[in-house]
Amino acid sequence: AQKITQTQPGMFVQEKEAVTLDCTYDTSDQSYGLFWYKQPSSGEMIFLIYQGSYDEQNATEGRYSLNFQKARKSANLVISASQLGDSAMYFCAMRGTGFQKLVFGTGTRLLVSP
Amino acid sequence: ETGVTQSPTHLIKTRGQQVTLRCSSQSGHNTVSWYQQALGQGPQFIFQYYREEENGRGNFPPRFSGLQFPNYSSELNVNALELDDSALYLCASSHPGTVGHGNTIYFGEGSWLTVV
Repeated sequence: AQKITQTQPGMFVQEKEAVTLDCTYDTSDQSYGLFWYKQPSSGEMIFLIYQGSYDEQNATEGRYSLNFQKARKSANLVISASQLGDSAMYFCAMRGTGFQKLVFGTGTRLLVSP
Repeated sequence: ETGVTQSPTHLIKTRGQQVTLRCSSQSGHNTVSWYQQALGQGPQFIFQYYREEENGRGNFPPRFSGLQFPNYSSELNVNALELDDSALYLCASSHPGTVGHGNTIYFGEGSWLTVV
């Protein structure tokens, strides 16, 4: 069985600062994918970044980077230069081998203050 | 814009009624998954359709059923609605044929269902 753990229910950061959102995972699959999504209050789930288990380099997408530590089974999201519009729920999710099902964590609510 | 569209965006139903939610997948994506997200929780996988066949199901009762059409759009049907079915229902589309960055899963904006 796959499991995602997000231990931070809420995080606060000031505008223009960097913030790290924690995610640990558990799986017996050798091949898997890790995702981060942003969910504003409107409800839509916005794809941010993807890391494959065999990718040697950490994924980056603009201000988002994924700190992937395979041995520790962690996939933390780093947001650089936070903006007010980054205030939202953030979910870490995992996809296993041969199947498109995602397993989600419980999410972290990020609040960016001026 | 993810290219995944869902309808309706909001609806209210009475306990015991039936509801149909619709999803159009992103162009080229032949796999559609449905998720239920209760308030304050992460999304939970309901089931997945690939080329019009259900090929995976989460821990949901049979009154949750679905369809996928030849154009890969999909429906989620819920019979005998219960109060606990009140949630955001999310549709996701993907294509299993690629790996790495291209193998991403995109969500629609969701359908908010309230059962009273």
